[in-house]
Amino acid sequence: DAKTTQPPSMDCAEGRAANLPCNHSTISGNEYVYWYRQIHSQGPQYIIHGLKNNETNEMASLIITEDRKSSTLILPHATLRDTAVYYCIVRVGVVRGSRLTFGEGTQLTVNP
Amino acid sequence: EPEVTQTPSHQVTQMGQEVILRCVPISNHLYFYWYRQILGQKVEFLVSFYNNEISEKSEIFDDQFSVERPDGSNFTLKIRSTKLEDSAMYFCASSPGPEQFFGPGTRLTVL
Repeated sequence: DAKTTQPPSMDCAEGRAANLPCNHSTISGNEYVYWYRQIHSQGPQYIIHGLKNNETNEMASLIITEDRKSSTLILPHATLRDTAVYYCIVRVGVVRGSRLTFGEGTQLTVNP
Repeated sequence: EPEVTQTPSHQVTQMGQEVILRCVPISNHLYFYWYRQILGQKVEFLVSFYNNEISEKSEIFDDQFSVERPDGSNFTLKIRSTKLEDSAMYFCASSPGPEQFFGPGTRLTVL
């Protein structure tokens, strides 16, 4: 699986958009970008995933650059409850039953 | 909304004792996983399970670990002879497809 690079921490004001970047310059053609988050030692929570097109769901939007070497997770209106560690994970295909490899992630702090 | 549940929430045991951590995956999911997180460290994959077999395991998952799906709803992780370094949060996850859904975890403390 391709290596990812994320900033260790970010701050965001409540109600504003939180834009979390991820670099994955060695991503290969069959690898997807997944985002999970972990709120204070709770179980990780799936957010979104994508291959090359931008994706949106009820939680967030995922913007993947055209060369697929980086992506941005967007939380459109951050709330205090979005304070968490956010993990960007690159993973081969949509293989079921295969591991997730978590890195250090980005600690997002949403401030009132 | 269906959730993965885990019991107990906290388990304290003596070194050398056996522990069984229990999980109830989401009912229509077919793939099951165990991960652990030592305090202050990354979430680490232990094992995945499908069709009553281990699909993949990490180097952490040695002979002291085993997994079982004893009935149609439970998924268990057994640690035969616990060590101090097994103290961690243990997360169960299940998936219908590529995304995995995690339980709240069991905090295991080995004394």
